Amino acid sequence: QVQLQESGPRLVKTSETLSLTCTVSGGSITYYYWSWIRQSPGKELEWIGYVYYSDSPKYNPALQSRVTMSVDTSKNQFSLNLTSATAADTAVYYCARYSGNYFQHWGLGTLVTVSS
Amino acid sequence: EIVLTQSPGTLSLSPGERATLSCRASENIDTSLGWYQQRPGQAPRLLVYHASSRATGVPARFSGSGSGTDFILTISSLEPEDFAVYYCQHRGSWQTFGQGTKLEIK
Repeated sequence: QVQLQESGPRLVKTSETLSLTCTVSGGSITYYYWSWIRQSPGKELEWIGYVYYSDSPKYNPALQSRVTMSVDTSKNQFSLNLTSATAADTAVYYCARYSGNYFQHWGLGTLVTVSS
Repeated sequence: EIVLTQSPGTLSLSPGERATLSCRASENIDTSLGWYQQRPGQAPRLLVYHASSRATGVPARFSGSGSGTDFILTISSLEPEDFAVYYCQHRGSWQTFGQGTKLEIK
């Protein structure tokens, strides 16, 4: 059974880069697309983007100018970098496995707070 | 950009009752729609994909229907653990989620 675990700083200063890593266990990261999704407090889900180990990532147009995703096959991990963070980026960030147009497996999520 | 609109925003029902949740797409999306359940403090969980296929391990009381622009998630007889927020999702040019329906205990 595949499991995903988010990790990274819980507190990010305004204007700095928000960086998270998702560690995948129970299967190879090379077989699927992998995604980041966030949820601001009390709000709906917002897709950030997805990445495949041998293809160009695809990002939400609203965030595209600030987002970078990558895959590290040697560690079975994928990562998210979101530059120029503001309070509006405060959210629970989820990593998820994307397959057949749906998000089949999710991490538990990690709350990241952006503050000066 | 395809917009998904869910209704109602909040649905108040009692255990044992039938729940009907709606998701409307701004354009024809055939059957390319998923439903997710999010319990408080938990990650979302895929319930239904391709509009009507139950995901692995999802109880039979959950069923999805619809095609084109109008979709329904039905819970035939509510259990206490079903009270949660439900989201619909579509893969268009990019991923889109509805704003959610909160199913609360009456």
